[in-house]
Amino acid sequence: NAGVTQTPKFQVLKTGQSMTLQCAQDMNHEYMSWYRQDPGMGLRLIHYSVGAGITDQGEVPNGYNVSRSTTEDFPLRLLSAAPSQTSVYFCASRERARNTEAFFGQGTRLTVV
Amino acid sequence: DAKTTQPPSMDCAEGRAANLPCNHSTISGNEYVYWYRQIHSQGPQYIIHGLKNNETNEMASLIITEDRKSSTLILPHATLRDTAVYYCIAGGSNYKLTFGKGTLLTVNP
Repeated sequence: NAGVTQTPKFQVLKTGQSMTLQCAQDMNHEYMSWYRQDPGMGLRLIHYSVGAGITDQGEVPNGYNVSRSTTEDFPLRLLSAAPSQTSVYFCASRERARNTEAFFGQGTRLTVV
Repeated sequence: DAKTTQPPSMDCAEGRAANLPCNHSTISGNEYVYWYRQIHSQGPQYIIHGLKNNETNEMASLIITEDRKSSTLILPHATLRDTAVYYCIAGGSNYKLTFGKGTLLTVNP
């Protein structure tokens, strides 16, 4: 039982490049979310999904796309990287049942130059 | 989600109890209080949550005031490994947790 796995752990991109951050969970959780964390700040919600085939925008969705073709995977796509997207990205998953704990991955540290 | 207020930082001596306060005066009746911590930029880790009653698990205790406007997370015997940012979250849904800046707890030897 690996929990929530994010890859890669570190990535450097040039401005304008695109890439996909991977997130996978093996707990059969229906709810998955992507957050970003900037220095000295709390986490901010980018996109979330309440089940396979269903996604929605969070607080800071611009510049990012998501899809949820399976329960296990929830990739985050950066369409055209910008220096403002330099951040640490966390994926989380949670059961549908109300008031359960959320499990977080270890993060992807992204630098856009 | 209800707004939460936490002190930006606290210190605690190793082996002593750490008491982390959180104010959530606008919490509604069916909103839970959650505590997470983040150790050195790792992914946040769930600690405990509660609605009205005090709760205890292997990591910590959660004391919620009778009017539910504030709560205290208690780490009974803090260790150096408990140095982290602690987040108090009031409300939230299954897909979203609203994180503030939290409290940086530093446990000193």
